[in-house]
Amino acid sequence: GAVVSQHPSRVICKSGTSVKIECRSLDFQATTMFWYRQFPKQSLMLMATSNEGSKATYEQGVEKDKFLINHASLTLSTLTVTSAHPEDSSFYICSARDGRDSPLHFGNGTRLTVT
Amino acid sequence: EDQVTQSPEALRLQEGESSSLNCSYTVSGLRGLFWYRQDPGKGPEFLFTLYSAGEEKEKERLKATLTKKESFLHITAPKPEDSATYLCAVQGTPPKGAQKLVFGQGTRLTINP
Repeated sequence: GAVVSQHPSRVICKSGTSVKIECRSLDFQATTMFWYRQFPKQSLMLMATSNEGSKATYEQGVEKDKFLINHASLTLSTLTVTSAHPEDSSFYICSARDGRDSPLHFGNGTRLTVT
Repeated sequence: EDQVTQSPEALRLQEGESSSLNCSYTVSGLRGLFWYRQDPGKGPEFLFTLYSAGEEKEKERLKATLTKKESFLHITAPKPEDSATYLCAVQGTPPKGAQKLVFGQGTRLTINP
């Protein structure tokens, strides 16, 4: 089955620094990947759609300059949280499909804590 | 705007006590309704896709059904390992739906031994 790998699983950083999260599709190619954010005991909120070879599409209210997305290859998308602040602390999860009508498969998420 | 509402928010059952979780939705043309299981600190794990009213899917102790307005996830004789948060999501037809999923807030299911 389709496997999505996310790294790191946990990261702690100081306020003002930047953090990069990687999302890889291990056994399939993904022209589109999706980045979600999840607060404790809440559902997944779509942040942006990552498109291979072109600019990401951000959801309303998501700051493009704070959450930089790069989808440089068919198997790798990265999310960089720039100048992180404590309010950016959250659970970030990426996902991808291995076919147009197949379900989304999720990575295991990255717990970001900004101190 | 596509919306998904799940109920109850939390459910505690005894081992072997069957029940159902509800997912009500509004969507501009349903392309698919998805059920996921999420364990604490993990990403969601895919369970089922339902495409049209009347469709049913089963996997072990779980059975998902779909009507034009809602979906149910029935759990029969659950075991403690079925404890998790169950998420429902919908995908509408393009152009508004695009490829993205809209998730409900989930039902936290706890099965006591």
